[in-house]
Amino acid sequence: AQSVTQLGSHVSVSEGALVLLRCNYSSSVPPYLFWYVQYPNQGLQLLLKYTTGATLVKGINGFEAEFKKSETSFHLTKPSAHMSDAAEYFCAVSDRHSGGGADGLTFGKGTHLIIQP
Amino acid sequence: AAGVIQSPRHLIKEKRETATLKCYPIPRHDTVYWYQQGPGQDPQFLISFYEKMQSDKGSIPDRFSAQQFSDYHSELNMSSLELGDSALYFCASSLERTSGLYNEQFFGPGTRLTVL
Repeated sequence: AQSVTQLGSHVSVSEGALVLLRCNYSSSVPPYLFWYVQYPNQGLQLLLKYTTGATLVKGINGFEAEFKKSETSFHLTKPSAHMSDAAEYFCAVSDRHSGGGADGLTFGKGTHLIIQP
Repeated sequence: AAGVIQSPRHLIKEKRETATLKCYPIPRHDTVYWYQQGPGQDPQFLISFYEKMQSDKGSIPDRFSAQQFSDYHSELNMSSLELGDSALYFCASSLERTSGLYNEQFFGPGTRLTVL
């Protein structure tokens, strides 16, 4: 079964500083990879995804992530944090296989991003 | 753009009662997924449906059942509710994934179920 590890349940950065949220997956076959953001009492919003092609993926709100197969990682970064980035961030994976289907996503435990003024 | 609609948005039930949550997918989406997110927890996949047939099954308790109807909306039925069932329940929809391609899941706002 797939598993996703997010290092650090809480990450605190200063406004304007680099944001780095870590995500590693366990799979012999690289899965589809996603980052979602969740604001308090709200639903899940897709930030970005990697399915195929370029390994550096750009998403919304200035976030980007790089798929590194050799490290089984998909870390999320943003060059300059903004107060509005404070939220819960989830890394998620979905199995990659040749057939069709409606596979559920497997989520990491989440990282709470705190932005210090 | 139309989004996934979930109803009700909030639901309060007593222990041992039943609850029904509804999900209306984005128009033309034929696949729905259900997830459960406990307080301070990550979302857990419960079950998915494609063209009214169960497609994938996750950690759905036996007390829960779900189905997808001909108009593609889905209902999650929960019986003998327990305190631990208190959670945010998300529905997501997508187009069915064809061979080698991935179709993004779009999440609804969730239904917050509180069991007293």
